[in-house]
Parts: sequence; structure tokens; C-alpha cells
Amino acid sequence: SQKIEQNSEALNIQEGKTATLTCNYTNYSPAYLQWYRQDPGRGPVFLLLIRENEKEKRKERLKVTFDTTLKQSLFHITASQPADSATYLCALDGDSNYQLIWGAGTKLIIKP
Amino acid sequence: DTGVSQDPRHKITKRGQNVTFRCDPISEHNRLYWYRQTLGQGPEFLTYFQNEAQLEKSRLLSDRFSAERPKGSFSTLEIQRTEQGDSAMYLCASSPPYSNQPQHFGDGTRLSIL
Repeated sequence: SQKIEQNSEALNIQEGKTATLTCNYTNYSPAYLQWYRQDPGRGPVFLLLIRENEKEKRKERLKVTFDTTLKQSLFHITASQPADSATYLCALDGDSNYQLIWGAGTKLIIKP
Repeated sequence: DTGVSQDPRHKITKRGQNVTFRCDPISEHNRLYWYRQTLGQGPEFLTYFQNEAQLEKSRLLSDRFSAERPKGSFSTLEIQRTEQGDSAMYLCASSPPYSNQPQHFGDGTRLSIL
């Protein structure tokens, strides 16, 4: 079955730099992949969705890439700010039409 | 768009008691999902409704768990005879009636079993 791997170690980045988070999947290529942000004690908040036929998607300071050959998505935050500190989760369509499979998330810490 | 709301935000109960959580999705969304999340993990799918029909249920879901969405609007998740391992954050999400749409989450109900 499909598994998702995200870096379990926290990522510490200096303010103003670009943060890059990785999401690797192990099995079939999903039709689409989503990135969410989660703050402590809150539910995940949707950020970006990228489809299998798209190589890159952008939204303001956010950029997502999708490489089906490497079975990997990268999530970039440019000009990072302390307010970007959160856990970032990737999710992709699962074995059924309705399920999403989620990674464990990567905690991002932006230091002033 | 008032967002997805969940009630209560926190629930503390003794082992063996029954608990019920409520989720009010975004009104135009006919798809509703329940997830469980433990510390350091991503959400784990529990069940899915399309309108009032429960179309999918996780194979990992114990028969102590039951969910309803009687009129296709709000949903309830009940856990009977709670166990220590049920301690988690229970998240509800909703999405529009189209494929490949992002899910909108509530802030969850945190359940603690004493």
C-alpha cells in the first residue's frame, strides 16, 4: 500500500531564506498531491494542490513541484518569516476514491 | 463561509464511558470526513460521508466507533466503551461535491481518557 515519507526532524531556517520540505511516496503515482499547514492545537489548513500532469504550482511565496519519476514533491517557502513556523503535511489520493493518505508532517521553525 | 466547527473542543472521560462528538461542515459541502490524529503523526482516515450515505469506513476502525450524518448536514462520531488508546485528536473535514478538491478542517476535538 502507499506510504508517504516526510522528514521527521524539525527544519530550522533563518528568516528571509528559502525553506524546502520534501514529501516522498513509495508506490503508485497519485493523481494529485496536496500540501497543508497545521498549527499546534488546530486543524490542517489547505495550501496547494498539484496534479500528476503538472510539474510546478505557485501561490504567492509558496511553490510546489511534483516529480513522478523520483516519486517526490518539494514544497518551497521563499522569503520565509517567523509566522511561517508550523508543521507542514503532504497528502495524496489513497487506495479508494475518497481517502487521502497523509504524511506525518515536517515541523518548520523560522528563526528571526 | 463560517468554516467547519466541531464540538466539544476538549473531552476528558474515564475509561469505559461513551463519548459523542459533533461536526458541522461548511453548508455547501456534501462530502464529510472523520480523521484521528495522534501526536507527531498525520491524520488517519476513519470514515467518509457523501450527503447522508456513509460510503467508506477504515478497515482499522473498531466496531466501538460509529458515525452518522442523518440529514446530510451535521455529523456525529460516537465511541463506545472508550479505551486508553482512543486518546487522540478527532478531526472533521468537508469538501465540495467535485473530485480532487481540498478538504476544509475543523479544529478538532481532543479526547483524553483517564
